[in-house]
Amino acid sequence: SQTIHQWPATLVQPVGSPLSLECTVEGTSNPNLYWYRQAAGRGLQLLFYSVGIGQISSEVPQNLSASRPQDRQFILSSKKLLLSDSGFYLCAWSDLGQAGNEQFFGPGTRLTVL
Amino acid sequence: AQSVTQLDSQVPVFEEAPVELRCNYSSSVSVYLFWYVQYPNQGLQLLLKYLSGSTLVESINGFEAEFNKSQTSFHLRKPSVHISDTAEYFCAVRAPWGNTPLVFGKGTRLSVIA
Repeated sequence: SQTIHQWPATLVQPVGSPLSLECTVEGTSNPNLYWYRQAAGRGLQLLFYSVGIGQISSEVPQNLSASRPQDRQFILSSKKLLLSDSGFYLCAWSDLGQAGNEQFFGPGTRLTVL
Repeated sequence: AQSVTQLDSQVPVFEEAPVELRCNYSSSVSVYLFWYVQYPNQGLQLLLKYLSGSTLVESINGFEAEFNKSQTSFHLRKPSVHISDTAEYFCAVRAPWGNTPLVFGKGTRLSVIA
C-alpha cells in the first residue's frame, strides 16, 4: 500500500531564516506531487505541483520554492522566511492511473515563524 | 477552469441532529467531485467521491452526498451526527481528464455540540 511522510511535524523558525520541508511517498511510482498551505480561516492554498522529476508548476508567486530531486521526494524551501509564511503545510500525491486521480494527503507540518 | 463555493464557513449542530454541508461548483465541462475531512492537526482524508453512475454516493461512516448536475451542487449530509464528526470538511472538483490538481472550496467547520 502507499504511504506519504512529511517531516518535521512541527517547526518554529525566526523571521529571515531558511526553510526546508520534506515529503516522501512510498509504494507508488511517478506520482503527481503537491504542496498546499493552510492558514487559519483561509482554506487550502495550492503552492506547487509536480508531474515528474524536475517539473514544478508554481501556483502562487512568493518567497517559497519547490524541488523534486527524486521520483517520490518533494521539497519545499525558502531562503528567508516571513511572518506570513506561518501555517500548516500539507503534501499530497495522486496517481493518474487511479480512477478519479484523487489526492492523498500527508500528516502536515505546522510552521510558526516568529 | 473549475471553482468551488462552500457557502457556510461554520456549522454548529447538536449531537444526533441531521446536518447538511453545502457545496456548489462551477465548470464548463463535466467534473469529478470529492469531499474530504480534516480532523484537528491532521491531513485531509477522502470521505467520498462522485466519478460517474449513481448520483448518490455514501461513505462508510454514514455520510452521503448527491450530485445534482442541474443545480451544480454536491451537498454532504448525515442524518444523525456524533461528537466525533467535529472536523473541517472540504469539497473539491476536477475535470475528468488531464493531470491538473483538485480545486478546493474554503472549507466548512462542523462543530457537534453535546
